[in-house]
Amino acid sequence: GAVVSQHPSWVICKSGTSVKIECRSLDFQATTMFWYRQFPKQSLMLMATSNEGSKATYEQGVEKDKFLINHASLTLSTLTVTSAHPEDSSFYICSASRFGSSYEQYFGPGTRLTVT
Amino acid sequence: GQQVMQIPQYQHVQEGEDFTTYCNSSTTLSNIQWYKQRPGGHPVFLIQLVKSGEVKKQKRLTFQFGEAKKNSSLHITATQTTDVGTYFCAGPLYAGNMLTFGGGTRLMVKP
Repeated sequence: GAVVSQHPSWVICKSGTSVKIECRSLDFQATTMFWYRQFPKQSLMLMATSNEGSKATYEQGVEKDKFLINHASLTLSTLTVTSAHPEDSSFYICSASRFGSSYEQYFGPGTRLTVT
Repeated sequence: GQQVMQIPQYQHVQEGEDFTTYCNSSTTLSNIQWYKQRPGGHPVFLIQLVKSGEVKKQKRLTFQFGEAKKNSSLHITATQTTDVGTYFCAGPLYAGNMLTFGGGTRLMVKP
């Protein structure tokens, strides 16, 4: 149990376009979902935390108008990178925690975004 | 600001040698978690430690949580090539269940 999926697994887009990444908890209801960004050979940097039905909480330095997060249900959160630029190219990983899991997070497989 | 630090950043070992990574938090943690990320993969939860001084074992992996709940270590006995990857510690530095990840220790095992 506790499987998290992400779609797409990789995407290439042109500068100026928007890209939507979906994160789904397949076999449990996620009270909270998290979005991370990871550059090559670096650690995970938390971008935002989202709870179903409420606005996401963004970490300092993360532009909320650029990285739109929608947590539509207890099993789905989406991250939309708007007006993408080459510097947005990165590995985006979502994770989800479930009610009563004592903080354990289940990670999705990640989405590699390349902006040309 | 509050942070979680890990050392070393990289470690090359010969297969069969032992390996240890250390994690230090700038603040007391309610719990600490360890994750493993294989090259090209995503982090996978290994374990959570909650109690002061706790020691847990998973086969060749031994996890410790310091008495002050500000540091932790992961020790691998007799490494194998399947142990290759980056090991991250993470702790909830702030309210809620947000995790702050350490920088990770990248383990490379030479057969």
